[in-house]
Amino acid sequence: NAGVTQTPKFQVLKTGQSMTLQCAQDMNHNSMYWYRQDPGMGLRLIYYSASEGTTDKGEVPNGYNVSRLNKREFSLRLESAAPSQTSVYFCASWIDRVDGYTFGSGTRLTVV
Amino acid sequence: DAKTTQPTSMDCAEGRAANLPCNHSTISGNEYVYWYRQIHSQGPQYIIHGLKNNETNEMASLIITEDRKSSTLILPHATLRDTAVYYCIVRVAGRYEETSGSRLTFGEGTQLTVNP
Repeated sequence: NAGVTQTPKFQVLKTGQSMTLQCAQDMNHNSMYWYRQDPGMGLRLIYYSASEGTTDKGEVPNGYNVSRLNKREFSLRLESAAPSQTSVYFCASWIDRVDGYTFGSGTRLTVV
Repeated sequence: DAKTTQPTSMDCAEGRAANLPCNHSTISGNEYVYWYRQIHSQGPQYIIHGLKNNETNEMASLIITEDRKSSTLILPHATLRDTAVYYCIVRVAGRYEETSGSRLTFGEGTQLTVNP
């Protein structure tokens, strides 16, 4: 039982390049989330998916797109990477109970 | 979701109790208090949650004041591995679809350093 798996763990991009961050959970959770964390700061919500087939914007959605491919997978795409998107990206999933958030181990992205 | 206020940093001696305070003066009656921690840039880890009664589990205790405007997370015997950033969060609990888009909003938390 792996929980929430993120790939890749590290990535360096050049400005203007595109890439997709992958997230998969094997816990049959309904809701999935993408957060970013800049150095010394808390997590900020980018996008979330309350259930398969739905996605919604969070606090900082600009420059990102998401796809809820199926119940297990929720991907985050950067179409044209910018240095301001250098951050650690966390995926999380949530089951319908009060203690249900589970986070992945993060993807460390550097845009040069 | 209600905003929380935590000290930026705290220190604690190994083996002693660590008491981490949190103010949430605008908390609503249906909002729970959650605590998460993040060790060395790993993904946040759930610790404990409560509504109005004090709670205890294998990791920690949560003390919520009677007016619910503040709470304290207690790590009874802190170890070096408890060094982390601790986040206090309040949110409505229940099915996501029923909480009007409410979700966990993280502030900057408290950096707890446990010293040998």
